[in-house]
Amino acid sequence: NAGVTQTPKFQVLKTGQSMTLQCAQDMNHEYMSWYRQDPGMGLRLIHYSVGAGITDQGEVPNGYNVSRSTTEDFPLRLLSAAPSQTSVYFCASSYSKGQSSPLHFGNGTRLTVT
Amino acid sequence: KQEVTQIPAALSVPEGENLVLNCSFTDSAIYNLQWFRQDHGKGLTSLLLIQSSQREQTSGRLNASLDKSSGRSTLYIAASQPGDSATYLCAARNYGGSQGNLIFGKGTKLSVKP
Repeated sequence: NAGVTQTPKFQVLKTGQSMTLQCAQDMNHEYMSWYRQDPGMGLRLIHYSVGAGITDQGEVPNGYNVSRSTTEDFPLRLLSAAPSQTSVYFCASSYSKGQSSPLHFGNGTRLTVT
Repeated sequence: KQEVTQIPAALSVPEGENLVLNCSFTDSAIYNLQWFRQDHGKGLTSLLLIQSSQREQTSGRLNASLDKSSGRSTLYIAASQPGDSATYLCAARNYGGSQGNLIFGKGTKLSVKP
């Protein structure tokens, strides 16, 4: 049981490049989400999904796309990278129903856009 | 709009001390409140989740309390150890919000000196 797995751990992009951050969970969690963590800003929700085929925007969705074709995977796509997207990105998952559903996080992807 | 505040931003204590970390939130209509630990360069690990109907939760040397009327939660760590050194974050989920639409505080960085 690996939990939430994120790849890659580190990535450097040039402005305008695109890439996909991968996230997979093996806990059969319905809910998955992407956060970014910036110094002084805390964690902010980018996109989330409450099940396969369903996605929605969080607090800071601009510049990012997501899809949820399977329960296990929730990739985050940067369409045209900008320096403002330099951040640490975390994927998280949980059971979606009920109050007692803690969020499980991956170890993050550190992205630098030059 | 829910805002979550954690004070102090950093705390240094000698080993063996009991300590309290504070978390305040502006909207008392919360669904649950979670405490997380984040080690340097790592993802977040869920420590305790307090449902809106509960007053406290305990796990080992950790005890988290919730007072919705005053908009406060505390994390009590008994007999602190150097291994407790990490950043501790609290996050509130509101009613009507999605499972992962947690609002995070910016964390308290704890250092326990041997």
